[in-house]
Amino acid sequence: DQQVKQNSPSLSVQEGRISILNCDYTNSMFDYFLWYKKYPAEGPTFLISISSIKDKNEDGRFTVFLNKSAKHLSLHIVPSQPGDSAVYFCAAVRGTSYDKVIFGPGTSLSVIP
Amino acid sequence: DGGITQSPKYLFRKEGQNVTLSCEQNLNHDAMYWYRQDPGQGLRLIYYSQIVNDFQKGDIAEGYSVSREKKESFPLTVTSAQKNPTAFYLCASSPSGTQSLNYGYTFGSGTRLTVV
Repeated sequence: DQQVKQNSPSLSVQEGRISILNCDYTNSMFDYFLWYKKYPAEGPTFLISISSIKDKNEDGRFTVFLNKSAKHLSLHIVPSQPGDSAVYFCAAVRGTSYDKVIFGPGTSLSVIP
Repeated sequence: DGGITQSPKYLFRKEGQNVTLSCEQNLNHDAMYWYRQDPGQGLRLIYYSQIVNDFQKGDIAEGYSVSREKKESFPLTVTSAQKNPTAFYLCASSPSGTQSLNYGYTFGSGTRLTVV
């Protein structure tokens, strides 16, 4: 049973528009949520995180929104750029160390020039 | 430049053979991890180590073994007991403690293992 779900395997967006990547989770005990970006044949790179006590965190073009009552978070990329084309993983952490991280299956984003 | 180095990038193994995947980091991170990625699935934790000479099983440890003799190194051995070893393997490291949650893992570039 997947505790972290990304129900859209892929997403295409025009350059300059907003990309919205969604993530749902089932365990209300998660304390932190993270987003990672992965290019083919490379390891994921950390993008942004949010604590479960917050509802928004922003870093440049990237904003993560957390809706705890809906057990849902989303990553907004504005404006989208062709270099943003990658697979995005949502991850959730129980506790305060990474031995309890659960990753979602990923969403492949294509930004069309 | 600090980072994590995984080698080799591609590895082919015959059925029944053990193989060892290398992972080295120069970030002075205490914790290191091994993940496996299969198509359509999230990363799954194989083993992790929070300190030298100590490691714990993750969710899918069967058929794998690790060692942590040095802080910088965390090699993973895929044994012949692993029934379906063909996958992309990722090594990661992180600082210990709550500060690590603001920065995330640092991942290596991965090793693709294929059983032939």
